[in-house]
Amino acid sequence: NAGVTQTPKFQVLKTGQSMTLQCAQDMNHEYMSWYRQDPGMGLRLIHYSVGAGITDQGEVPNGYNVSRSTTEDFPLRLLSAAPSQTSVYFCASSYSGIGNEQFFGPGTRLTVL
Amino acid sequence: AQRVTQPEKLLSVFKGAPVELKCNYSYSGSPELFWYVQYSRQRLQLLLRHISRESIKGFTADLNKGETSFHLKKPFAQEEDSAMYYCALNRKLIWGLGTSLAVNP
Repeated sequence: NAGVTQTPKFQVLKTGQSMTLQCAQDMNHEYMSWYRQDPGMGLRLIHYSVGAGITDQGEVPNGYNVSRSTTEDFPLRLLSAAPSQTSVYFCASSYSGIGNEQFFGPGTRLTVL
Repeated sequence: AQRVTQPEKLLSVFKGAPVELKCNYSYSGSPELFWYVQYSRQRLQLLLRHISRESIKGFTADLNKGETSFHLKKPFAQEEDSAMYYCALNRKLIWGLGTSLAVNP
């Protein structure tokens, strides 16, 4: 099993550009989520999904869109990149239910100039 | 509001010394609590969850609802325990800011 994979590993964007961060998992997990990690702020939840076709907002959803057309994939779209979106982005997945372990991807380091 | 507080940004101990990483939470319901660890150049991974009441790599953590705490403890620290430790609350993983543990030889 590859686990949770994220692409790209690094990305540099100019302000106003759009892009999609890819996330995939091969563990048949129902629950998937996106976090951003910023110095001094810890990890913050952007969006999450409890299953294919179902998504919801987390703590910091503005400027990001998600969709979940399949169980395996959960892409994160930046609509119009801003310098404030410079961060490290992590995707995670888990089975549903109380206390289940979340498995994390390796992260995508995004810089917006 | 849900909140997790890890009061120490950095904790430095010598090998063989006991270590305690503090975590306090704020949540009105029944909490799910986790400790995640990130070793250098590795992914975030689960270390412990309160529901399992297990010991992993010598670490234990007990949920104290009265003190709203979930402190992580190990009686004898090892150099390979050096890492970033995060306490997290509930499925949506409200995160603490993390504690960097350095175990010195």
